[in-house]
Amino acid sequence: DVKVTQSSRYLVKRTGEKVFLECVQDMDHENMFWYRQDPGLGLRLIYFSYDVKMKEKGDIPEGYSVSREKKERFSLILESASTNQTSMYLCASSSPSGSPREQYFGPGTRLTVT
Amino acid sequence: RKEVEQDPGPFNVPEGATVAFNCTYSNSASQSFFWYRQDCRKEPKLLMSVYSSGNEDGRFTAQLNRASQYISLLIRDSKLSDSATYLCVVREGSYIPTFGRGTSLIVHP
Repeated sequence: DVKVTQSSRYLVKRTGEKVFLECVQDMDHENMFWYRQDPGLGLRLIYFSYDVKMKEKGDIPEGYSVSREKKERFSLILESASTNQTSMYLCASSSPSGSPREQYFGPGTRLTVT
Repeated sequence: RKEVEQDPGPFNVPEGATVAFNCTYSNSASQSFFWYRQDCRKEPKLLMSVYSSGNEDGRFTAQLNRASQYISLLIRDSKLSDSATYLCVVREGSYIPTFGRGTSLIVHP
């Protein structure tokens, strides 16, 4: 059974803190993604990576950075957390080859910044 | 900007009803199409891919209309457990899929 895990289901942080969200997949997928999901706005892509040490900005990268040192792990970093980064964060992975190249999502991390 | 549009709903239907959702996309170069299901406070999961000839999986039927640039999802004989948000996903052929904001379905007894 395929699996994407995220380090925390719920997280509460203070404004200005540096926050690390970890994502690990066991499917040997090349592609990994970080999204945030907010009511009424749907899923918005923050960053994605198509290979180790490779990263590309998504639609809303401001205030975030990422790290991909190993194929199975993709980390999202909030350099200085702000209240407008309170959200549900979803990690996903997919393989670039084959069909239909569906994305597999982790269970999500609900982050609250106070 | 490439857009994927869905009616947010909610669609409120009785058990046993047939319900259909549409999703329109703006990028004519789109190549891959999917429907995902997301339960409340859970992650999205693939419901079905959408193929050019249309495809069926039990009570679910997906259709693609390239000329009009929309995909549809038909659910027959709705069950209470079908209550969820249904996300339309479109991919041009790069790594990056574009998600619609989802359509909420509520099936009531």
